[in-house]
Amino acid sequence: AQSVTQPDIHITVSEGASLELRCNYSYGATPYLFWYVQSPGQGLQLLLKYFSGDTLVQGIKGFEAEFKRSQSSFNLRKPSVHWSDAAEYFCAVEGTYKYIFGTGTRLKVLA
Amino acid sequence: IAGITQAPTSQILAAGRRMTLRCTQDMRHNAMYWYRQDLGLGLRLIHYSNTAGTTGKGEVPDGYSVSRANTDDFPLTLASAVPSQTSVYFCASSDPPGELFFGEGSRLTVL
Repeated sequence: AQSVTQPDIHITVSEGASLELRCNYSYGATPYLFWYVQSPGQGLQLLLKYFSGDTLVQGIKGFEAEFKRSQSSFNLRKPSVHWSDAAEYFCAVEGTYKYIFGTGTRLKVLA
Repeated sequence: IAGITQAPTSQILAAGRRMTLRCTQDMRHNAMYWYRQDLGLGLRLIHYSNTAGTTGKGEVPDGYSVSRANTDDFPLTLASAVPSQTSVYFCASSDPPGELFFGEGSRLTVL
């Protein structure tokens, strides 16, 4: 069965600083990987996804993620964080028609 | 606007009562899902359905049941609610392994 680990529960960065959120997955076959963002009191919005091909994928709002098969990782990055990026971020893996999520990382942005 | 509709938005329920959370999608997706979101635990899959007429158990199915009589509807029933089922419930749909689309959530409090 697939699983996802997001080791950082909370991350605080200053506005304008770079950001990296970690995600490790476990799945026996080629994974389909996703990052979602959830603003307070809202539903979840897709940031980006990896299916195959180029291991560096671009998403919305200036986010990108890199798939590293050797490390079973799919870390999310942003070169310069904006105050509006404060939210909770979830990594997910799809396998056998089920989507399994990590426990999330809550991002706080300091002005 | 196409999407997923969940009802009710919020509900307070006495323990032992029966409750059905409704979910309807108009995107003609084959697969539908129910998740619960709890602080520190992320989103956990309760039940899923790959296509109309079939359902499957997710990570935390106990105390919940679902049915999928047609493509559009996927209700979640709590036969006898308990306080530990206090949570925010999200319905979602997709054509796997594509993007998962979420409803706005149903906040349930069991007293």
